[in-house]
Amino acid sequence: EADIYQTPRYLVIGTGKKITLECSQTMGHDKMYWYQQDPGMELHLIHYSYGVNSTEKGDLSSESTVSRIRTEHFPLTLESARPSHTSQYLCASSGGGEAFFGQGTRLTVV
Amino acid sequence: GENVEQHPSTLSVQEGDSAVIKCTYSDSASNYFPWYKQELGKGPQLIIDIRSNVGEKKDQRIAVTLNKTAKHFSLHITETQPEDSAVYFCAASIGNYQLIWGAGTKLIIKP
Repeated sequence: EADIYQTPRYLVIGTGKKITLECSQTMGHDKMYWYQQDPGMELHLIHYSYGVNSTEKGDLSSESTVSRIRTEHFPLTLESARPSHTSQYLCASSGGGEAFFGQGTRLTVV
Repeated sequence: GENVEQHPSTLSVQEGDSAVIKCTYSDSASNYFPWYKQELGKGPQLIIDIRSNVGEKKDQRIAVTLNKTAKHFSLHITETQPEDSAVYFCAASIGNYQLIWGAGTKLIIKP
């Protein structure tokens, strides 16, 4: 079983609020990713990191930001949430090859 | 840019029959091709993968075939069971262990 954890699992928040989605892995993987996914639909890469202090934007334009201060931790922050941010956010990590996914955070912005 | 096309988007098969999902990729440098299964409310999970130096790989009821010349690869599930119902994603590697994902196939197993 993969050791990658996301919190919270579900979040309902008002427009304009700042939120941080947490992602931690205990596998020592250098590579970590954030995907946005509407349920059962395509995975869209929004951010990735190849190691500490490395962050890159993915293919899907996103108003979120990420940081990678520690190998095991890769949080995603939305400074001002909007209804268009309503979606599922999946975090993944990889040591090269297989990617391990967390359970996801289902975000609803009202 | 690089892309992966996956077909069909929805596949309905009778329990016990076989299911085949196909993907084509554009980057000739891709050398790693995983398949993931995503069940409702969960993150995707790797079920089988293949590297470019191999043409076929099997794991019990699941197999993947790769045709590098044609740039396509397929997932085969035999003797399908109700627990095979899920969304399946293919992917192809680009660059430094980044993956380009297919759009997903919803597999429905009819009892």
